[in-house]
Amino acid sequence: AQSVTQLDSHVSVSEGTPVLLRCNYSSSYSPSLFWYVQHPNKGLQLLLKYTSAATLVKGINGFEAEFKKSETSFHLTKPSAHMSDAAEYFCVVTSGYSSASKIIFGSGTRLSIRP
Amino acid sequence: NAGVTQTPKFRVLKTGQSMTLLCAQDMNHEYMYWYRQDPGMGLRLIHYSVGEGTTAKGEVPDGYNVSRLKKQNFLLGLESAAPSQTSVYFCASRPRDRVWNEQFFGPGTRLTVL
Repeated sequence: AQSVTQLDSHVSVSEGTPVLLRCNYSSSYSPSLFWYVQHPNKGLQLLLKYTSAATLVKGINGFEAEFKKSETSFHLTKPSAHMSDAAEYFCVVTSGYSSASKIIFGSGTRLSIRP
Repeated sequence: NAGVTQTPKFRVLKTGQSMTLLCAQDMNHEYMYWYRQDPGMGLRLIHYSVGEGTTAKGEVPDGYNVSRLKKQNFLLGLESAAPSQTSVYFCASRPRDRVWNEQFFGPGTRLTVL
């Protein structure tokens, strides 16, 4: 069985300060992990993905995430928040075996940026 | 290359009415998905398809039907709309299954059922 938990439903940071969005996963097999961003009234856009090639993954817009197997975590970080980062962020895990339906979404974290 | 498109963008229905949402992708992806998004619940899978002519149920299929007559199109139907189906609906597509393949999402359809 697999699952994903986003530990914070809402995170608020000041512009220019670091961002940390937390994600823990559970998977019976070697997982692939993704972070998507959804800006207001828009579809989801891929930020980055982990595919076992490297544990530190760099994505678009200065975001990165580190896969930590021992902690079953895939937290999303950014050194300095920008107003345009305000959005909803989803952590996603897929099964280690082929299955079109085994894509599990977290419940999302809303990121707010204070001026 | 338009990616994934959805029609319509907005719709208001009365209880009991029917409608069809259209999803189209031009990336030649084998897999297509329909999700609904409700506040605080992330995305929930309604139905999915692994190829032309095949569909399967997801997590919340009741009240919905789908068809995939052409590889590039995936239709979601509501035969008798209910207020509980008020939601934002997203379509996604994905290349033939490799666990590291990401999904590509459409812009969404906002449906209100009165």
